[in-house]
Amino acid sequence: DIRMTQSPASLSASLGETVNIECLASEDIYSDLAWYQQKPGKSPQLLIYNANSLQNGVPSRFSGSGSGTQYSLKINSLQSEDVATYFCQQYNNYPRTFGGGTKLELK
Amino acid sequence: QVQLQQSGAELVKPGTSVKLSCKASGYTFTSNHMNWIKQTTGQGLEWIGIINPGSGGTSYNVKFKGKATLTVDKSSSTAFMQLSSLTPEDSAVYYCARSPWELDYWGQGVMVTVSS
Repeated sequence: DIRMTQSPASLSASLGETVNIECLASEDIYSDLAWYQQKPGKSPQLLIYNANSLQNGVPSRFSGSGSGTQYSLKINSLQSEDVATYFCQQYNNYPRTFGGGTKLELK
Repeated sequence: QVQLQQSGAELVKPGTSVKLSCKASGYTFTSNHMNWIKQTTGQGLEWIGIINPGSGGTSYNVKFKGKATLTVDKSSSTAFMQLSSLTPEDSAVYYCARSPWELDYWGQGVMVTVSS
């Protein structure tokens, strides 16, 4: 199985700040990577696919980058509604696997 | 709009089985695969398996083979997951999610509690 290592596990940031979340795959996943946002009590929502493509309706302050085994999610100008847990997921191989999540809170 | 409506919460006894449903609407049911995902506080998100609603073909995470069985009813655009021989470790929130490749739409999730 491809292991997805996500960091940090938790993060505290101020409104308006820029936030970066990293995801490291145990092998090359050829940009077959998605990022999801999950708010408490809700199901995950797709933010980014193919490592850097923004899902329809997602604010442009979210962006994804990376290739090979290293990927990142960037949130510019943090808003209060961005408080959530973020997950990466690879879909290059079966079984699909997820990162452990990053819980983002406001400072 | 695309919607995946899952069945309600389940409280079940150890050793029994439960069948969860996921009714799709707003798109052609057979044009996208359906995935099932388990979420627990301790283990995070775990992918259980995927079914092609058109062909009925499936692929399972080895960890869930023998535990989960995925089926569909094309006439009602509904995907099902049966979980068997339930133990307390199967207590979790279970999601269905549509995939082209990424998981672009998710159901609201269903909580399964296994307790005597």
